[in-house]
Amino acid sequence: LAKTTQPISMDSYEGQEVNITCSHNNIATNDYITWYQQFPSQGPRFIIQGYKTKVTNEVASLFIPADRKSSTLSLPRVSLSDTAVYYCLVGDITNAGKSTFGDGTTLTVKP
Amino acid sequence: NAGVTQTPKFRILKIGQSMTLQCTQDMNHNYMYWYRQDPGMGLKLIYYSVGAGITDKGEVPNGYNVSRSTTEDFPLRLELAAPSQTSVYFCASSYSGASSTDTQYFGPGTRLTVL
Repeated sequence: LAKTTQPISMDSYEGQEVNITCSHNNIATNDYITWYQQFPSQGPRFIIQGYKTKVTNEVASLFIPADRKSSTLSLPRVSLSDTAVYYCLVGDITNAGKSTFGDGTTLTVKP
Repeated sequence: NAGVTQTPKFRILKIGQSMTLQCTQDMNHNYMYWYRQDPGMGLKLIYYSVGAGITDKGEVPNGYNVSRSTTEDFPLRLELAAPSQTSVYFCASSYSGASSTDTQYFGPGTRLTVL
């Protein structure tokens, strides 16, 4: 089962680009990489998911190198409302219930 | 669609009491999960289910029980509440199609305090 490692916390300022990296050295062939965002007193919500190379949606981009042993969530031009905890998960549906959230990365955006 | 709903939102229990946390999803997802989140920590999986009638333990199942009699509902039962079970409980569900990638959709949570 792929274990993930993320920085505990990061600080940024409004308008900057933020990159959060997740290490997952023992990722399996069938595993996808999924990032979630959690605001205080709310459940996590899906941000982005990818398998390889680059994925972009209206919220973020996800960069995955060829060896897939890490991934980087990129948030363009963050605002105060992006202050949250970000979790990286690795797994696929056949491992349902086995991938773990870990403690995530607490991003604090300052004015 | 309402998505994943949880009741109650808040509850205070006395040590030794029991209660059931309710979770319902209306997305026809086969997979459902229960997590707990202690202050300042990540989510820990308690139990999960891959379909009606099928449940399995997660990381921290002790002190809890689940059942899954329908696709929509996945209640979590605390039999003898202890202060260590003070936490926020989240229910989630995910689709299980042929090319599913296990993206989970979460409910709003139940904040439980055991005194």
